[in-house]
Order: sequence, then C-alpha cells, then structure tokens
Amino acid sequence: GDSVTQMEGPVTLSEEAFLTINCTYTATGYPSLFWYVQYPGEGLQLLLKATKADDKGSNKGFEATYRKETTSFHLEKGSVQVSDSAVYFCALIQGSFQKLVFGTGTRLLVSP
Amino acid sequence: EAQVTQNPRYLITVTGKKLTVTCSQNMNHEYMSWYRQDPGLGLRQIYYSMNVEVTDKGDVPEGYKVSRKEKRNFPLILESPSPNQTSLYFCASSSPGVGGGRKQFFGPGTRLTVL
Repeated sequence: GDSVTQMEGPVTLSEEAFLTINCTYTATGYPSLFWYVQYPGEGLQLLLKATKADDKGSNKGFEATYRKETTSFHLEKGSVQVSDSAVYFCALIQGSFQKLVFGTGTRLLVSP
Repeated sequence: EAQVTQNPRYLITVTGKKLTVTCSQNMNHEYMSWYRQDPGLGLRQIYYSMNVEVTDKGDVPEGYKVSRKEKRNFPLILESPSPNQTSLYFCASSSPGVGGGRKQFFGPGTRLTVL
C-alpha cells in the first residue's frame, strides 16, 4: 500500500539556520502531497501542499517541491525561528479518497 | 469560525469502562474521520465516514466503533477500552472531491489514557 517515509528526529537547529526535512513516498498513481505542522499541545495544521509533479507548495517561508522522479517532497526553510519548533508530518492522499497517509513525524527544535 | 471540536480533551479511564469521544464540525462537511497518533508511528486512520449513515474501517479499526447519525457529529466509541488504546486521537473533516484539492480540518486532539 501507499506509504510515507520521513527522516527521524529530533532535528536541532540554531535560529536562522537552514532547514531540510526529507520526505519520500511510495504510491501507485499520482498522489497529492502535504506537509502538516503540529505545535505543542495543538492539533495538526496544513502547512503546504502540492497536487501534481513539479508543483511547489509554499507557506510561512517553508517550501516543498513535488519530485515525481525521486518520489520526494522535502520541506525546506531558509532561516528558521524559535517559533518554528514543532512536529512536522509529511502525508499523501490518493485519488478521490480523503484518507491521509502520514509519515512518522519529525520533531524540530530551534534554539535562540 | 470554521472548526472541528472534540471532547473531552483529556481522559483517564480504566480497562473495560465504555467511553465516547465526541467530534463535531460546523462546516457542513460530508467527510469525517478519526486518527490515532502514536510515537514512532505517526497518525493512522481508525474509521471514516463519507456521509450520514455511511462509515467504513480505516487501517486500525479493532476495538473501536463509530456512528454518523447527523452530518456534523462523528463520535468515536470504545466499548471496552484496553491499555493499548492509550493514545492521542484526532478527528478530521473535509468536503468531498479529489483528495488533493480539499483541505482537511483537524480537531485539537483527545489524549486518552487507559489504566
């Protein structure tokens, strides 16, 4: 079945450092890809999405590009802030079903 | 404000004592689902509902029941909770259509501990 693999965390960075969180997927067909963020004590929020190959999703300084050839959707940010500390989930949806298939999540810790 | 609400937010209970976690959305969404979040496993879907009176199993349905008698509500029922159901539970909803085009809204989560 469909699956998503994320790099294990925690990822520990200093403020203003460059962030990359790797995400690769396995799916039949052409899934839509998502990054969700979970701040401490809160539910999940959609951070960005891409629905077809070569699409770039972006939001709040975060970016991810849908790479069909490498089946990847890596999350990047040029300069992280302490407020970006959270758990980040990569996910996909296939076809008309609404079921999100999630990766295991990557915790990001940003220190001042 | 568009939102998904869950109650309770925190619950500690004992093995075998039936409980219900409520979920309600105010966006007139057809699709609703339940996920559980466990360390190292991410989120896994328990049950989903495409519309009123239409429900189906997700990836980890054992030990859970759901009902969808009204469009806005989708309660999760644990008839005889066990310690392996200790987890963080999320309800989500979205409007129908091709999955990628429809944003899913998540509730704030219910942290359940079964002793």
